Amino acid sequence: RKEVEQDPGPFNVPEGATVAFNCTYSNSASQSFFWYRQDCRKEPKLLMSVYSSGNEDGRFTAQLNRASQYISLLIRDSKLSDSATYLCVVNENFGNEKLTFGTGTRLTIIP
Amino acid sequence: DVKVTQSSRYLVKRTGEKVFLECVQDMDHENMFWYRQDPGLGLRLIYFSYDVKMKEKGDIPEGYSVSREKKERFSLILESASTNQTSMYLCASSPMTERSRDGYTFGSGTRLTVV
Repeated sequence: RKEVEQDPGPFNVPEGATVAFNCTYSNSASQSFFWYRQDCRKEPKLLMSVYSSGNEDGRFTAQLNRASQYISLLIRDSKLSDSATYLCVVNENFGNEKLTFGTGTRLTIIP
Repeated sequence: DVKVTQSSRYLVKRTGEKVFLECVQDMDHENMFWYRQDPGLGLRLIYFSYDVKMKEKGDIPEGYSVSREKKERFSLILESASTNQTSMYLCASSPMTERSRDGYTFGSGTRLTVV
């Protein structure tokens, strides 16, 4: 079983729509959670950290469900510029800085 | 603006060559990491380092070694390059635990082709 699992997509979504991604992780002791965005042929960049209480940044909302061990990302009013691969990322051990990356979900926003 | 700089964007090497990939960060971060990224496999950790002269194996260290002689520099070495090491190599850094709520900062990557 993969440590961090994501639906690879692709998700093809019309501009203005709302899209949601889920990600599951296997280690119940995981401490920190992130969503990264990666554009084609570019490096991953931090989109947002995910906190237990859930957090929002503009059109983006991240939620964490520890009981079910999943993380979600919601994008509202999607823009063409949101087209990218979204990586779910987990820090499995507090005090150990290793991050484990999902393989990513590819999103394409269609005009 | 914080920065992680990788020395080469594209590299082509021959099978059996010794290859050095350099990474420098200017953020005074303690932690540095080398990943490779392949289609369908995502990012896989090769080696990481928590401090100068410190190194630890990641998930796929075979065929690689690393060097961290200075805090800002973390080098990845392919002792004898092989075609299955053709990949995108990404260096990253992060501050130590107490300040590590922002994840990693990545370099722009080195696309290595071994022929």
